[in-house]
Amino acid sequence: NAGVTQTPKFQVLKTGQSMTLQCAQDMNHEYMSWYRQDPGMGLRLIHYSVGAGITDQGEVPNGYNVSRSTTEDFPLRLLSAAPSQTSVYFCASSVKSTSTQPQHFGDGTRLSIL
Amino acid sequence: AQKVTQAQTEISVVEKEDVTLDCVYETRDTTYYLFWYKQPPSGELVFLIRRNSFDEQNEISGRYSWNFQKSTSSFNFTITASQVVDSAVYFCALRGNSGGGADGLTFGKGTHLIIQP
Repeated sequence: NAGVTQTPKFQVLKTGQSMTLQCAQDMNHEYMSWYRQDPGMGLRLIHYSVGAGITDQGEVPNGYNVSRSTTEDFPLRLLSAAPSQTSVYFCASSVKSTSTQPQHFGDGTRLSIL
Repeated sequence: AQKVTQAQTEISVVEKEDVTLDCVYETRDTTYYLFWYKQPPSGELVFLIRRNSFDEQNEISGRYSWNFQKSTSSFNFTITASQVVDSAVYFCALRGNSGGGADGLTFGKGTHLIIQP
């Protein structure tokens, strides 16, 4: 069982570069989301999607774009990386957006912006 | 707005001691869901438990137990006879029901638990 797969696991970027963090799930989950984890801040929601073709902003969306063309994939794009985006990024999915289901998390992508 | 407070930033105990991790939450939703996740040093997030707001029964799973009290808006987590493998960061999280829960989880800042041999 692959579950939620994130690639890459580590990445170093220079300020101003663009990049896409990949997230794929093989559980046919409708709901997918992206969080960032910063020291002392816990995890904060960046963007989420309740199904293919539908996305919305979370708590900290600035500087990030997402799309959901298929149920399986939910990539996160940094258009012009900034040092403030240095963080660990987690993708998560659940069966539906309804609150009864726990979210399954990927292993994270550790991103450093120089 | 929802909020989850884990006041204990770091706890250090000696192996075999019992330890309780505190979680206090705020929400205006009448129906909501509480979660605990474990993040070991390897970095992944491991789901531990989910509790619905309308179910105040405490739960025990092996050495782990959870005490949910709506009256004090708390969802505390106790590890009995702690082991070194329990060392991790533990997150409490809340998901409200407004908007169908689409706005995801609100996490506390985490408690770093250190179990010393």
